[in-house]
Amino acid sequence: NAGVTQTPKFQVLKTGQSMTLQCAQDMNHEYMSWYRQDPGMGLRLIHYSVGAGITDQGEVPNGYNVSRSTTEDFPLRLLSAAPSQTSVYFCASSYGGARSDTQYFGPGTRLTVL
Amino acid sequence: AQSVTQLGSHVSVSEGALVLLRCNYSSSVPPYLFWYVQYPNQGLQLLLKYTTGATLVKGINGFEAEFKKSETSFHLTKPSAHMSDAAEYFCAVSGVGANNLFFGTGTRLTVIP
Repeated sequence: NAGVTQTPKFQVLKTGQSMTLQCAQDMNHEYMSWYRQDPGMGLRLIHYSVGAGITDQGEVPNGYNVSRSTTEDFPLRLLSAAPSQTSVYFCASSYGGARSDTQYFGPGTRLTVL
Repeated sequence: AQSVTQLGSHVSVSEGALVLLRCNYSSSVPPYLFWYVQYPNQGLQLLLKYTTGATLVKGINGFEAEFKKSETSFHLTKPSAHMSDAAEYFCAVSGVGANNLFFGTGTRLTVIP
């Protein structure tokens, strides 16, 4: 049982490049989320999914795209990277919603956009 | 709308001393409240949560928090700090949607030997 895994751990991009941050969980959780963590700002919700085929926007969705084709995977796509997207990205999953159930977090991806 | 304010971005305590991390919330609906801990280079881990019922909530590693509706507070305490408690602590409040959590800006706890 690996829990929530994220790849890569570190990534450096140039402005305008695109990439996908991978997130997978093996706990059969329906709910998955992506957060970004910036100094002095805590964690902010980017997108979330309540099950395969269903996604919705969080607090800061602009510049990011998600899809959920399977229960296990929830990739986050940066369409055209900008320096403002330099951050640490965390994926989380839970059986129920974050309000009612414990969220399990991955170890994070540290992204730098030059 | 929901929001969280954590007073003090950095808190230092001596080993064995009381730990008190402050959290005040704003919520237009009955809140669910959470404390998460983040150790260096790791993801967040749930310490404890308040949903309904008993207002004093006990969590892992000897931490507890008390929900005070009249003060809109959910402060985190531990009677005796241990070196392993050094980490960043986040308070969070639930939003209207099932998956909406609003996090505070975090408090970094340093434990002095």
